[in-house]
Amino acid sequence: AAGVIQSPRHLIKEKRETATLKCYPIPRHDTVYWYQQGPGQDPQFLISFYEKMQSDKGSIPDRFSAQQFSDYHSELNMSSLELGDSALYFCASSSKYTGTEAFFGQGTRLTVV
Amino acid sequence: DAKTTQPPSMDCAEGRAANLPCNHSTISGNEYVYWYRQIHSQGPQYIIHGLKNNETNEMASLIITEDRKSSTLILPHATLRDTAVYYCIVSSLSTSYGKLTFGQGTILTVHP
Repeated sequence: AAGVIQSPRHLIKEKRETATLKCYPIPRHDTVYWYQQGPGQDPQFLISFYEKMQSDKGSIPDRFSAQQFSDYHSELNMSSLELGDSALYFCASSSKYTGTEAFFGQGTRLTVV
Repeated sequence: DAKTTQPPSMDCAEGRAANLPCNHSTISGNEYVYWYRQIHSQGPQYIIHGLKNNETNEMASLIITEDRKSSTLILPHATLRDTAVYYCIVSSLSTSYGKLTFGQGTILTVHP
C-alpha cells in the first residue's frame, strides 16, 4: 500500500539558509500534518492543512511557513535556519472518510551547521 | 486534550505478552484513546484506538476500563521488532485526527 512520501530524506544546510521539505500524502488523503522531533525529544505538532486550508497551528516558528497544494502535497519552508532547527521533520496524512488514524512518513533529517 | 501518564520503561521477554498501561484520569466523554509507537527515528506508527469498548486488530488489543480513566495496550506475542517507544494519546474527534500531543511514552524493550 502507498505510504506518505517525504523528500529529501536528509538535508544539510548552513545557518541563515533556507530549506524546503516536501510531503506527498497517501492518495485520497485530504489532510496533512507536520511534526518536528528534536534530538531526544518527542514529536511536536507544527501545523496542519485540510483541503488546502490551514486547519491547526502548533508551536511553529514565524520563520517557518507551509502550504498544501491542489494535488494535496505539502511543503514546509524554513528560513533563517538556526542550529536549533536541526531535527527530524515528519509529515503525516489522514482522511476523515477512511478512518481517524494518521499515517506518518519516514521523515526528513535536517542538520543545520 | 486530556493528559496521559505512562511508565517510562518496560521490559518483556520475546514471545510473551507485553502489557503497557496508560492513565488518563481526566479523559472526557468525546475523547478517544490512541496508541502509536516509534521505532528508533522512524515515523510514528498507528497501532490502535478506542472510545470505551475493548478493541482488537492484527497488531494489538486495547483494554479500556469501565470508567475510562485508564487503558492497557496488549501485544500478545512480543517480538524483538516490537522494541520501540509506545505513546498513549487522548484526542477528541473535534480536533484534527492527526493533531497528536505526544507526551512521554513508554520505552518497551523486548529481549530474547
